[in-house]
Amino acid sequence: GAVVSQHPSWVICKSGTSVKIECRSLDFQATTMFWYRQFPKQSLMLMATSNEGSKATYEQGVEKDKFLINHASLTLSTLTVTSAHPEDSSFYICSARKPGLRGLQETQYFGPGTRLLVL
Amino acid sequence: DAKTTQPPSMDCAEGRAANLPCNHSTISGNEYVYWYRQIHSQGPQYIIHGLKNNETNEMASLIITEDRKSSTLILPHATLRDTAVYYCIVDLYNQGGKLIFGQGTELSVKP
Repeated sequence: GAVVSQHPSWVICKSGTSVKIECRSLDFQATTMFWYRQFPKQSLMLMATSNEGSKATYEQGVEKDKFLINHASLTLSTLTVTSAHPEDSSFYICSARKPGLRGLQETQYFGPGTRLLVL
Repeated sequence: DAKTTQPPSMDCAEGRAANLPCNHSTISGNEYVYWYRQIHSQGPQYIIHGLKNNETNEMASLIITEDRKSSTLILPHATLRDTAVYYCIVDLYNQGGKLIFGQGTELSVKP
């Protein structure tokens, strides 16, 4: 397997503030990471694809100015929720693609998630 | 949209095999089938993946039909800790490897 970490694991903030969530691949380098969010009793929804050294690609309906993504190194991607509001409260999960051995298919490994509560 | 359909829920007796089906009738020739599971309030855990051959690892077995339009994940001896939502996902190879999650199957393993 592979290890992907997220920090913080949970955060509570006031409405209007910005929150940064970090995603790290601990034992491999990842040129591509993904950000998802999940509301209670729903499935994961892909928000954006984070590519090292280039701009993120956002899914339809996801505001790029609201959810800032930076992938400055091969082991770290950050998601910043700007001017957070109560409707942004959710479970945010990242994943990282681990290269396959000897050209085999890559596999995505997920972080443990960050629970955000905006008051 | 997800390219897979799964039953919303299943029950399994502890110690018995859990067979979770998945339909992916529109899968393309170079797209892999991945299985993940999510235990409550955690990130998804990778289980297994395959292209066209059956696969087995320490967690599970994956059986893919010859026409690749469906697959079955087999947990050979289910335990209570296997209670989770299981997701069958087609890797969108031509879209940068994005994984689009469907609703999954909620597996309840009962004593």
